[in-house]
Amino acid sequence: ETGVTQSPTHLIKTRGQQVTLRCSSQSGHNTVSWYQQALGQGPQFIFQYYREEENGRGNFPPRFSGLQFPNYSSELNVNALELDDSALYLCASSTIPPAASYEQYFGPGTRLTVT
Amino acid sequence: AQRVTQPEKLLSVFKGAPVELKCNYSYSGSPELFWYVQYSRQRLQLLLRHISRESIKGFTADLNKGETSFHLKKPFAQEEDSAMYYCALSGDSGSGTYKYIFGTGTRLKVLA
Repeated sequence: ETGVTQSPTHLIKTRGQQVTLRCSSQSGHNTVSWYQQALGQGPQFIFQYYREEENGRGNFPPRFSGLQFPNYSSELNVNALELDDSALYLCASSTIPPAASYEQYFGPGTRLTVT
Repeated sequence: AQRVTQPEKLLSVFKGAPVELKCNYSYSGSPELFWYVQYSRQRLQLLLRHISRESIKGFTADLNKGETSFHLKKPFAQEEDSAMYYCALSGDSGSGTYKYIFGTGTRLKVLA
C-alpha cells in the first residue's frame, strides 16, 4: 500500500500566472481534500472531491478549482496567482464515502511561492 | 462564526509532567472532533478522534459540548511527544457535503 504523494515538491510562480498541483491518493481511497497552509497557520480547507465531483468547499474564490480522475488522483488549479497564495498546499485522501468522522491521510505537501 | 481555537502557540513541559493542550470550537450543529499531530520532518497524521473514544500513545481527549472544548491530555509527557498538534473539526455543511476546520496549532516541547 502506497501513501499519498504530491508533486512537485516546490514551485515558484509569478503573480498573475496559473499553477497546477498534483496528488495521488493512497491506494483504495476514493475521496481527496485539498488544504492551504500559510506559514504559522493551520491547514485551511479548500475543497473535497468524491467520485470525481466536488463534495464540499471552504471559503476560497472560484480561481481555485480542482479535478479528480477515475484513478482517484487529483489536481488543484489556481488561476491569476496572488502573493497571498504563497503557502504549503496539502492533499489528503480517505477511504469510504465521505463522512464526518473518517481519518484523512495527508501527503507531504507542495510549497508554492508567488513572487 | 465557525472556528477552532488553540490559545497556546507554544507549550513547554518537563518530561514526566502532565500535559494539556487546549482546544475550543464554535460550530452550529454537531461536529466531529479530531487531534492531528505533526512530528519533525513527518507529515500530518491523525492522533485521535472523539468518535473512537480511544487513547493513543497515552493521549486522551474529552469532548465537552457545554464548554465546546476538546482538550488533549496526557498524564506523563515523554520527549518523543514533542511535535505540532492541531485540533480539527468536521461538520455537515449541507446536502451531504462536509467542511473541515483546523486550529492554528500548538507546538509542544517536552524538556529533559
